Amino acid sequence: RKEVEQDPGPFNVPEGATVAFNCTYSNSASQSFFWYRQDCRKEPKLLMSVYSSGNEDGRFTAQLNRASQYISLLIRDSKLSDSATYLCVVNIGGYSTLTFGKGTMLLVSP
Amino acid sequence: DADVTQTPRNRITKTGKRIMLECSQTKGHDRMYWYRQDPGLGLQLIYYSFDVKDINKGEISDGYSVSRQAQAKFSLSLESAIPNQTALYFCATSGPGGNEQFFGPGTRLTVL
Repeated sequence: RKEVEQDPGPFNVPEGATVAFNCTYSNSASQSFFWYRQDCRKEPKLLMSVYSSGNEDGRFTAQLNRASQYISLLIRDSKLSDSATYLCVVNIGGYSTLTFGKGTMLLVSP
Repeated sequence: DADVTQTPRNRITKTGKRIMLECSQTKGHDRMYWYRQDPGLGLQLIYYSFDVKDINKGEISDGYSVSRQAQAKFSLSLESAIPNQTALYFCATSGPGGNEQFFGPGTRLTVL
């Protein structure tokens, strides 16, 4: 079983739509969770951390469900500039390294 | 200037050649990483270093070696390149917690 699993997509949505991605992780000892964004042929960049209580940053909302071991990202009022691949990332903490999912591609059309 | 730089940005080489990819950072971070990214496979960790005297293998270290010359420099070598090492290579750095990693722009390597 893959450590971090995501639907690769692509998710094709019109501008203004709301879209949600889910991600599941296999290691119950995981402590930190993140969403990174990667534009085509560019480097990944941190989009937001995911907290147990859920957190929001503008149009983006992240949720964590530890019992079911999944993480979600909700994007409201999609913009053309949101088109990218969204990487779900997990850290079990301490001296470990990040584990990246393969990413979910989002395409927002006019 | 970029905080994490990689050289070269693009390289085409032949099977059997030795290749070195270089990474430099000005963020003052102790932790540095090398990843490769292949279409459909996501980011795979090759090697990582938590300080100048620390080198660790990642999930796909076979065929690669690294050198941490200084806090700011971390090089990746392919001693004898083979075609399945054709990929996009990223260097990254992070602070003590390791949670936010800052990536370089990537090196696109093609092995013929």
